[in-house]
This record gives sequence, structure tokens and C-alpha cells, in this order.
Amino acid sequence: DSGVTQTPKHLITATGQRVTLRCSPRSGDLSVYWYQQSLDQGLQFLIQYYNGEERAKGNILERFSAQQFPDLHSELNLSSLELGDSALYFCASSVVGGFRETEAFFGQGTRLTVV
Amino acid sequence: EDQVTQSPEALRLQEGESSSLNCSYTVSGLRGLFWYRQDPGKGPEFLFTLYSAGEEKEKERLKATLTKKESFLHITAPKPEDSATYLCAVQAPSGNTPLVFGKGTRLSVIA
Repeated sequence: DSGVTQTPKHLITATGQRVTLRCSPRSGDLSVYWYQQSLDQGLQFLIQYYNGEERAKGNILERFSAQQFPDLHSELNLSSLELGDSALYFCASSVVGGFRETEAFFGQGTRLTVV
Repeated sequence: EDQVTQSPEALRLQEGESSSLNCSYTVSGLRGLFWYRQDPGKGPEFLFTLYSAGEEKEKERLKATLTKKESFLHITAPKPEDSATYLCAVQAPSGNTPLVFGKGTRLSVIA
């Protein structure tokens, strides 16, 4: 158990809908990363938050947004869903402290299926 | 742009047949190189971080090494339970940057 909790584990929804994925980081971790994993693309970085603020942005669509709350949990919002958004969505967290404290630990993911 | 290339894409080994997985990277400086193991439908499980060329780390049947351009994950006398996808990722030195992943090597160990 990595200590990173993601809910829900599975989500099936229709095209055009909006969903929210939730992530609770490991205790003490300030940084949260969201990744998308599809069969042909591997793990693609979406967005990073550090202590409530957006720190880095990857290939995140405008239909997607995220935030990190004061208790450090994070939510990824996906709207106007398309069939191609079906994927595994992972959250990872890390301490981001000293130089060697950057290992990121992943949750078990949310499998999103858009029908 | 930071890039990570892993080879081979898939590897099938007999139980006990040792081999190595390769991870080639291009990054503007290197903060760390990470190896993860991922089982189907599960999240990546952290294995190792390597920080400088020449560094080596071991865990059970796995040993990771790092040079200035690539990393190897050596698997000694693998067992069927070592079957998984092994992911390599790099992190650039400019503070708090995300990990950039390769597409992974799918390892199958046959009894």
C-alpha cells in the first residue's frame, strides 16, 4: 500500500458528461501529480500541485481541470467527456523536500470508461 | 524536451534466465532516474531512484545501474512473480518538475 488513496476505483459514464476524480496524498506529502495512462500512450503527465498551488502543467486538455485543497487532497475534473478520454487516471504524491526526497508514490488509479 | 526510451517493448524469459532492461534518456541535467514496477490495472510501485552516473541499487533479484545516457535494470534468476511492466522515468533538476515516463517493458517470466 503506497499510502495514496484514489476514489472511485472505477467510473463508467456517457459522452458529454462531467466527472470528478479524488486523490488523498500520503501523510506529509505536499505535492500531487495527475497522470493519464492509455494503452498506446503510456503515462502522460497532466498537472502538478504543490501545497495548494499549481506548479507544473503537462498535456492537459482545456476540458480538464484540477485543484488541491487546504487539507492537501486533490480533485481532477473532466468535463464534456469523449470516448478517447477512457483511460486509467493516476495520482501520485511526493514530499518535495530536500534534493533526494523526490520519490513519487502512486495510487491505485481510477479506471474511467466513457460510453 | 526530456525523453525516455525503453527497450525492449516486451521480453519473455524462462524462469531463472537472467536479462537486462534498458532505459535511454535525454534530459537537461538529471535530478533523478526512477524505476517502477506496474502490474496490470494497478498503480506503479516505486522500486529505485538513481541520482548520479555509476550509482547502483539492488532489491532482491533486481539491480539498477546508471550511466550518463542510460540506465539498466538487471533481473537475476527471475521468477514468474517478477512478471510485470517495468517503467523508467526521469526528473529534470529545475525544482519540483514532474516525472517523464518511458512506455515501459512488459516482462513475462515463464515457469
